[in-house]
Amino acid sequence: EVQLVESGGGLVQPGGSLRLSCVASGFTFITFSSYTMTWVRQAPGKGLEWVSSISGGGGDTYYAGSVKGRFTISRDNSKNTLYLQMNSLRAEDTAVYYCAKDLRQWIQVWSYDNWGQGTLVTVSS
Amino acid sequence: QSALTQPASVSGSPGQSITISCTGTSSDVGSYNLVSWYQQHPGKAPKLMISEVNKRPSGVSNRFSGSKSGNTASLTISGLQADDEADYYCCSYAGSSTFLVFGGGTKLTVL
Repeated sequence: EVQLVESGGGLVQPGGSLRLSCVASGFTFITFSSYTMTWVRQAPGKGLEWVSSISGGGGDTYYAGSVKGRFTISRDNSKNTLYLQMNSLRAEDTAVYYCAKDLRQWIQVWSYDNWGQGTLVTVSS
Repeated sequence: QSALTQPASVSGSPGQSITISCTGTSSDVGSYNLVSWYQQHPGKAPKLMISEVNKRPSGVSNRFSGSKSGNTASLTISGLQADDEADYYCCSYAGSSTFLVFGGGTKLTVL
């Protein structure tokens, strides 16, 4: 069974930076690198918002307009780890950040069947 | 304001059926069969209930079904159970500029 565990959240001042990590385990006959991975966030008491996705090999990245130019998604397939580097943070970036795995191998169907427990990022002075 | 429009709340009694609508545009729901539905209980991570408009992932009850007509997708839950009480979110692929959009969520209350 695939498990995703996020870390790296915390309190940061406006304009600051933070790097989130998501370690994936439970890949046996299938490989981490065959799946697109994604970050989705949820502000306190609000709905889900897609943030960013990265292809299995890492060559293709996708960003929501609200974070483009400030956030960078990356992955290290040798470590089964997904990252989100967040710069120039704003109060409106305050949210629980979830990493999630695409449902299908090798193709991206923009559906996510495995989610981490989330890590809280709070941007405040 | 969310890109996809869902009713804020729906309710039903145990054993009944309910349908949650998700209205988008010809740029998202109407153009792609890449609509998903998620269930989220308070304090928990979302759970995928329907992918690609009407596909149920392994382990999801067949009481959950999805459909689409034009720019509107729908999630139907039959034989309502107490544990179905949760927030439900739709999302859709929206092309190579916007990529993915979510609905604002619907709170399902089982009376």
